[in-house]
Amino acid sequence: AQSVAQPEDQVNVAEGNPLTVKCTYSVSGNPYLFWYVQYPNRGLQFLLKYITGDNLVKGSYGFEAEFNKSQTSFHLKKPSALVSDSALYFCAVRFSMDSNYQLIWGAGTKLIIKP
Amino acid sequence: GAVVSQHPSRVICKSGTSVKIECRSLDFQATTMFWYRQFPKKSLMLMATSNEGSKATYEQGVEKDKFLINHASLTLSTLTVTSAHPEDSSFYICSATGDLNTGELFFGEGSRLTVL
Repeated sequence: AQSVAQPEDQVNVAEGNPLTVKCTYSVSGNPYLFWYVQYPNRGLQFLLKYITGDNLVKGSYGFEAEFNKSQTSFHLKKPSALVSDSALYFCAVRFSMDSNYQLIWGAGTKLIIKP
Repeated sequence: GAVVSQHPSRVICKSGTSVKIECRSLDFQATTMFWYRQFPKKSLMLMATSNEGSKATYEQGVEKDKFLINHASLTLSTLTVTSAHPEDSSFYICSATGDLNTGELFFGEGSRLTVL
């Protein structure tokens, strides 16, 4: 069965430190991978995606993610966290040949950056 | 990126009334839109897939008669919560497929429904 796992319910990081939000997936075929961020009482905003090509993907607000096929992971990273990065982060995956365009969502990880 | 507008952002209604939430793609045509419900513990639940000109496809456990979805044009989908009850209080989010090659979704700002 296709699935996405975000193993951490919450991640706490001090401002200025590097951050990692983990995501692993299980999907048949070639995955399309996405990260979205949600601020309180707002919709989701697109951060970055991996479709093909370079395994290291750079996105909005200084975030990046690395596609690791052998570990079936797509962890979100940022070298130096800001307090304003505090939000809810969702990883999502889609099987490349799925014509329904439905994304499979992780449960979300709450990122808290402390000053 | 593409813009999806969702309205209203907040609505409070009495139990037993119906509430309509609109989702519009402002600068692109969306043949497919998705309606999500987000629970307090943050998880996103896909309610239904809305296809322009045809009936919506509902996920298992979602009552189609309670959550009426209409996708009458390529830029507008509506979700009507009929005979709302307090347990329907939630955050509802719509999204549209902006890129048919990748399936990347663009989201509305969400609608906070409170049923008294």
